[in-house]
Amino acid sequence: NAGVTQTPKFQVLKTGQSMTLQCAQDMNHEYMSWYRQDPGMGLRLIHYSVGAGITDQGEVPNGYNVSRSTTEDFPLRLLSAAPSQTSVYFCASTSRGGSKGYTFGSGTRLTVV
Amino acid sequence: GEDVEQSLFLSVREGDSSVINCTYTDSSSTYLYWYKQEPGAGLQLLTYIFSNMDMKQDQRLTVLLNKKDKHLSLRIADTQTGDSAIYFCAETRGSGGYNKLIFGAGTRLAVHP
Repeated sequence: NAGVTQTPKFQVLKTGQSMTLQCAQDMNHEYMSWYRQDPGMGLRLIHYSVGAGITDQGEVPNGYNVSRSTTEDFPLRLLSAAPSQTSVYFCASTSRGGSKGYTFGSGTRLTVV
Repeated sequence: GEDVEQSLFLSVREGDSSVINCTYTDSSSTYLYWYKQEPGAGLQLLTYIFSNMDMKQDQRLTVLLNKKDKHLSLRIADTQTGDSAIYFCAETRGSGGYNKLIFGAGTRLAVHP
């Protein structure tokens, strides 16, 4: 099925552990983004990419790294997890210009204890 | 910073109309979006409106745009229990050719018999 695939769906980490949230899209979209969703705060942009090899910071980039080696994949890395990173993470993609809106993955619920 | 603002809750009776309001910030936003999020799911694009339009209708959904007041609304006619969800409005903010999606905090719509 065409769309944005995120793995894992759920994850529990201990403080200080590292992990990578995976995101893949098969729609040949140039633009990809990572958001985090916290209660009462909507979605906040973490990092985004306008194409392979190009990434940039969003509103809340601290504590997260990204890379974009291919058009399809846009992994999000937490180098040293903190309880403040407990959240639901969404990956999204759109074609250049984004006029038709972003397609979102189903999310990864991360808990840091 | 400047926020996209929405009321947090709306409760309506089944069969009535729902109106969800949003105030956005960037007068140069090209597109404005409404997304729907059901429990435990990702965001689903409901509809969008181009900034040179005042109104867009799509079956039970009507979007009204007041550019002067930077006000966006979503009207759902004949609201059903399946419409119970969180609704997010989002504006686009351009930066170096990339249009970031900036979300409001979301309006939780509860539909009761």
